Amino acid sequence: EAGVAQSPRYKIIEKRQSVAFWCNPISGHATLYWYQQILGQGPKLLIQFQNNGVVDDSQLPKDRFSAERLKGVDSTLKIQPAKLEDSAVYLCASSFGQVPTYEQYFGPGTRLTVT
Amino acid sequence: AQSVAQPEDQVNVAEGNPLTVKCTYSVSGNPYLFWYVQYPNRGLQFLLKYITGDNLVKGSYGFEAEFNKSQTSFHLKKPSALVSDSALYFCAVSPRWDDKIIFGKGTRLHILP
Repeated sequence: EAGVAQSPRYKIIEKRQSVAFWCNPISGHATLYWYQQILGQGPKLLIQFQNNGVVDDSQLPKDRFSAERLKGVDSTLKIQPAKLEDSAVYLCASSFGQVPTYEQYFGPGTRLTVT
Repeated sequence: AQSVAQPEDQVNVAEGNPLTVKCTYSVSGNPYLFWYVQYPNRGLQFLLKYITGDNLVKGSYGFEAEFNKSQTSFHLKKPSALVSDSALYFCAVSPRWDDKIIFGKGTRLHILP
């Protein structure tokens, strides 16, 4: 079975620019997560979707970050405008169900560098 | 506040020796506990989880973890380390069945040949 796909793998932008990341979850997985992993820290949940609805976006900086999953399959995370502190790896994960007892499958991540 | 702590940034173990990677948590109620592993240039992979029942849970690649409620710990163990076990290990906790997972900062495990 194909894993979680993410693109691009690497991105370098200047501060105040915008950037978008794409994620395609495992087929049949209703739940999709976006995490931010800053160097030396564990992943932090930014937003969780169940199909095309938002379950949890309490830690998403909504003044600059946005995410959508319009058709309940793939998803896009956008940052506009980017700040230096947004430099991190952005991880997408998916699971069959929305409660944490379902195993989450992670993609390879997108490494963002903001200069 | 709900949190999970991994007190060691790095653990070094000789190949063939037993290994332990420590994890403690602070949540109210009955936690759901997880271990994930991140190999170089690969995504996070699930290792094992504790939901309820037997305090000793077994997972992938010969790893196991012991839930200790009195010490609020969930240490990861393996009887005999392999060089291929070298990776970054994350402990994680969910305070409730319907809550998000909170990850620790990770412990880098080095298995020395």
